[in-house]
Amino acid sequence: AQTVTQSQPEMSVQEAETVTLSCTYDTSESDYYLFWYKQPPSRQMILVIRQEAYKQQNATENRFSVNFQKAAKSFSLKISDSQLGDAAMYFCAYRPQRGNQFYFGTGTSLTVIP
Amino acid sequence: EPEVTQTPSHQVTQMGQEVILRCVPISNHLYFYWYRQILGQKVEFLVSFYNNEISEKSEIFDDQFSVERPDGSNFTLKIRSTKLEDSAMYFCAPGRGRGTEAFFGQGTRLTVV
Repeated sequence: AQTVTQSQPEMSVQEAETVTLSCTYDTSESDYYLFWYKQPPSRQMILVIRQEAYKQQNATENRFSVNFQKAAKSFSLKISDSQLGDAAMYFCAYRPQRGNQFYFGTGTSLTVIP
Repeated sequence: EPEVTQTPSHQVTQMGQEVILRCVPISNHLYFYWYRQILGQKVEFLVSFYNNEISEKSEIFDDQFSVERPDGSNFTLKIRSTKLEDSAMYFCAPGRGRGTEAFFGQGTRLTVV
C-alpha cells in the first residue's frame, strides 16, 4: 500500500531564509507523480509543485524547488527567501500513474517569523 | 483563477439529515474527485468519477455516500443520513487525466450537530 510520511508536524523559518520540508513515501511502483500542496488558513488546497518520477531533474517553481531522491523515496520541498504569505500547512502527495487517487501525508505546519 | 467552485462554503446540518455538496468545474475536466479532511487530520480520498461513473472509491465511501453529475456540468456529493463524524472539509478536485494534478476547490465545511 502506498503511504506518505511527513515527519515534521511543525517547522518555522525566519523571513527571507530558506526552509526544507521533508517527505518520504512507500511504493512498489516505478512510475508515479509527487506533489506538494499548500493549505493556508482559508483551508483551500493550492498546488505548489509537481514532479514526475521518470524525470531525474528536480522540479522548480520560482522560490519553490524539490529534492527528489527516487531510490530513497524522498521528496523534500525547499522554500527559498521565505515570505510571510508562505505560512500554511504543506501536504506532500503521491499519485500512482495508473491510479486515480492521491495519497496525502499528515502535513507540516510552517510558521514564518518576521 | 480557480478551476472549480464549490457550494455551499459552509453548511450546518442536524445529524440524520441529508446534505448535497456541489462542485462546478470552470473548464472541461474528465475526472472528478472528492476528498475530505477532518479538522487537524490529513486529506482522505473518497471517490473518483470518470465518464459518468465511479472509477474508484475508498472504504469511507459507504452506502451513505453517492455522487452524480445531474446535468452534465455540476458534480454533487450526497450524504444521505449524516453522522457527527461526517463533520469535515469536503474538497472537490477535478482533473484532466491520469497523472495530472488535481485542482482542489475551496472546499465545503460541513458541520453536523
